[in-house]
Amino acid sequence: GNSVTQMEGPVTLSEEAFLTINCTYTATGYPSLFWYVQYPGEGLQLLLKATKADDKGSNKGFEATYRKETTSFHLEKGSVQVSDSAVYFCALSGGGSEKLVFGKGMKLTVNP
Amino acid sequence: NAGVTQTPKFQVLKTGQSMTLQCAQDMNHEYMSWYRQDPGMGLRLIHYSVGAGITDQGEVPNGYNVSRSTTEDFPLRLLSAAPSQTSVYFCASSIAGGPSNEQFFGPGTRLTVL
Repeated sequence: GNSVTQMEGPVTLSEEAFLTINCTYTATGYPSLFWYVQYPGEGLQLLLKATKADDKGSNKGFEATYRKETTSFHLEKGSVQVSDSAVYFCALSGGGSEKLVFGKGMKLTVNP
Repeated sequence: NAGVTQTPKFQVLKTGQSMTLQCAQDMNHEYMSWYRQDPGMGLRLIHYSVGAGITDQGEVPNGYNVSRSTTEDFPLRLLSAAPSQTSVYFCASSIAGGPSNEQFFGPGTRLTVL
């Protein structure tokens, strides 16, 4: 079945540091890929998505590129802020299933 | 537009008690789902529904029941609570169950079973 493997952390960075969160997936066909973010005490919300190979999703300074050759969807941000402190989840759907499958999530703390 | 709402926000149960977690959405979304979030486990799908009158099991359905009598509501019932059901529960909805559709999440219900 479909699965997602991502860095689990927790990770602590200083403000303005570069962020990469690795995500790889296993799925048949051509799934859609997502990054969701969960701020403290809240539900998840969509950060960005990509629906086909070589698509780049971007939002709030975050970017991720759908790489079918490496089955990856790594999340990057060039300069993190304290307000980016949250848990980040990589997820996929499709590839034969309508269900959304999540990675285990990675907690990021950004210090001033 | 309230989006996806969940009640209660917090709940403490004793082993063996039953209860219903409420979920409602006002976006006319066809697809609704319930997840549980446990430390180190990410989110796991409990049950889902592709429309009123239709429900199906997810990854971890045991001990939970659902029904979907209206498009708006998707309650989750715990039949006989167990400590293993201590978790944070999230309800989500999307326009349809297609693979590229964004899911909108409620704020969650934190459940403790003693």
